[in-house]
Parts: sequence; structure tokens; C-alpha cells
Amino acid sequence: GDSVTQMEGPVTLSEEAFLTINCTYTATGYPSLFWYVQYPGEGLQLLLKATKADDKGSNKGFEATYRKETTSFHLEKGSVQVSDSAVYFCAEKRPNTDKLIFGTGTRLQVFP
Amino acid sequence: DVKVTQSSRYLVKRTGEKVFLECVQDMDHENMFWYRQDPGLGLRLIYFSYDVKMKEKGDIPEGYSVSREKKERFSLILESASTNQTSMYLCASSQRQFRGDTIYFGEGSWLTVV
Repeated sequence: GDSVTQMEGPVTLSEEAFLTINCTYTATGYPSLFWYVQYPGEGLQLLLKATKADDKGSNKGFEATYRKETTSFHLEKGSVQVSDSAVYFCAEKRPNTDKLIFGTGTRLQVFP
Repeated sequence: DVKVTQSSRYLVKRTGEKVFLECVQDMDHENMFWYRQDPGLGLRLIYFSYDVKMKEKGDIPEGYSVSREKKERFSLILESASTNQTSMYLCASSQRQFRGDTIYFGEGSWLTVV
């Protein structure tokens, strides 16, 4: 079945460092792709999404580009802050379905 | 703003008890979901409902059942709780089959079975 693979964490960075969290998917065709963020003690919030190839989703300084040729949707941020410390989940949704398939999550820890 | 509300944030139950986790959404969404979150496993879908009284099994339905009597409410039921059901449970909702549509999550319910 379809799956989403994320890099294992934790990812530990100093404030203002560059962030990349890798995500690849296996669904054929053109799934929609999402990044969700979970802050400590909270549920998941949508961070950004992309619905077709070469789309770039962006929000709060985070970006991810839908790469069909590499089946990837890597999350990037140019300068992380302590407040970005959270768990980040990559997810896909195939066309004509309503269910998300999630990766295992990547914990990001940012230190001052 | 869309609001998905889970009635209990923290519960402690005994093995063998029947447990109800309640979820309400206020955006008239057709779809509602129950996920379970465990370290290293990410989110796994337990059950999904696409309409009142309609349900579909997810990836890990064993030991769980659900009820959707009203559009806004989706309940997860553990018929006889076991220690391996200790976990964080997340409810979510969305509109039906709109490409790229957002799934909205509640804050989660931490269940400990002792």
C-alpha cells in the first residue's frame, strides 16, 4: 500500500540554522501532499500543502515543493526559532479518497 | 475557525472497562476520523466515517468500535480496554473528497489503561 517516509529525528539545531526535513511518498498519480505540525501537548495543525506537481506550499517561513520526479515534498526553513520546536508530520492523500496517510513524524528541537 | 473538540484530554481507565471518547466538530463536515498516535509509529487510522451512521475500518480497527448518530459527533468506543490501548487518540474532520482539502484535528485525548 501507499506509504510516506520521513527522516528520523530528533533533528537538533541552533537558533537561526537552516532546516530540512526530508519526506518521500509512494502513491502513484498525483496525490495531495501536506505538512502538519504538532506543538507539545497539542493536536496537529496544518502547516502547508500542495496539490499538484511543482506547487510550492509556504507558511510561517516554512516551504515545501511538490517534486513529482523524485516523489518528494521536503520541508525547509531558512532560519529556525526556538518556537519551531515541535513534531512535524508529512502526509499524502490520493485523489478521490478522503484519508490521509502519515509519516512517522520528525521531532525538531531548536536551542538558543 | 474550525473547531474539533475532544471531550476528555486525560483519562485513566482500568483493564476491561468500557471507554467512550467523544468528538464534536462545528463545521458541518461530512468526514470524521479517529487516529491513534504512538511514538515511532506516527498516526494510524482506526475508523473513518463519511456520513451519519456510515463507517469504514481504518488500518487498526481491532478492539475498537465507533458511533456516528449525528453529523457533528463521532464517538470512539473501547469495548474492553487493554493496556496496549494506552495511547494518544486524535479526532479529525474534513469536507468530503475535495482535492487538497484540509483535515482538522482536535487537541487529542491521552488514555492510560492500568
